[in-house]
Amino acid sequence: DAGVIQSPRHEVTEMGQEVTLRCKPISGHNSLFWYRQTMMRGLELLIYFNNNVPIDDSGMPEDRFSAKMPNASFSTLKIQPSEPRDSAVYFCASSSGTGTMNTEAFFGQGTRLTVV
Amino acid sequence: AQKVTQAQTEISVVEKEDVTLDCVYETRDTTYYLFWYKQPPSGELVFLIRRNSFDEQNEISGRYSWNFQKSTSSFNFTITASQVVDSAVYFCALNDNDYKLSFGAGTTVTVRA
Repeated sequence: DAGVIQSPRHEVTEMGQEVTLRCKPISGHNSLFWYRQTMMRGLELLIYFNNNVPIDDSGMPEDRFSAKMPNASFSTLKIQPSEPRDSAVYFCASSSGTGTMNTEAFFGQGTRLTVV
Repeated sequence: AQKVTQAQTEISVVEKEDVTLDCVYETRDTTYYLFWYKQPPSGELVFLIRRNSFDEQNEISGRYSWNFQKSTSSFNFTITASQVVDSAVYFCALNDNDYKLSFGAGTTVTVRA
């Protein structure tokens, strides 16, 4: 299996622009997570999907952030409008079963977002 | 409250030295899982180990070993005979609910040739 695939790997955009990050989870995994990594806050969970349904979006920082999972093999994280403080590495992860309590989450290579 | 504490921010060793990374966690649950992940300079997060709260046996995988002690709420990680390729940021994480991983701040390990 190719693992969790994220695109793009790097994104540089101007403040105010819309940014869309993409994720293809591992085939057969039914849990998908979006994490954000910053120097100040470390790794934090943004949103968790199970069987394509958002279960917990309490980590989404504000209304500018939205995530969708239209099917089992694709998810997007959108920021509109983007701001410089959104600059971070965004990771997508997937796992089998319900959540990660008893299974490990496999992470993609991340998307490094820079908003100027 | 911080659930996972990795007190060591950075560790620098010379190749072939052993290095131990500390991880202290906090939870009120009796059932939980602990993880270690490696983040090499290329940026991806690589899963290393998962351990449940009912299994306190130490584990060894090649040059890696883990020491889980519930009495001190610690899950320490040792790299034996370190190599330059071990240079990375290592994260300890806790899962004490259905899905959310709480990560520590990470320990940066630099192995010098």
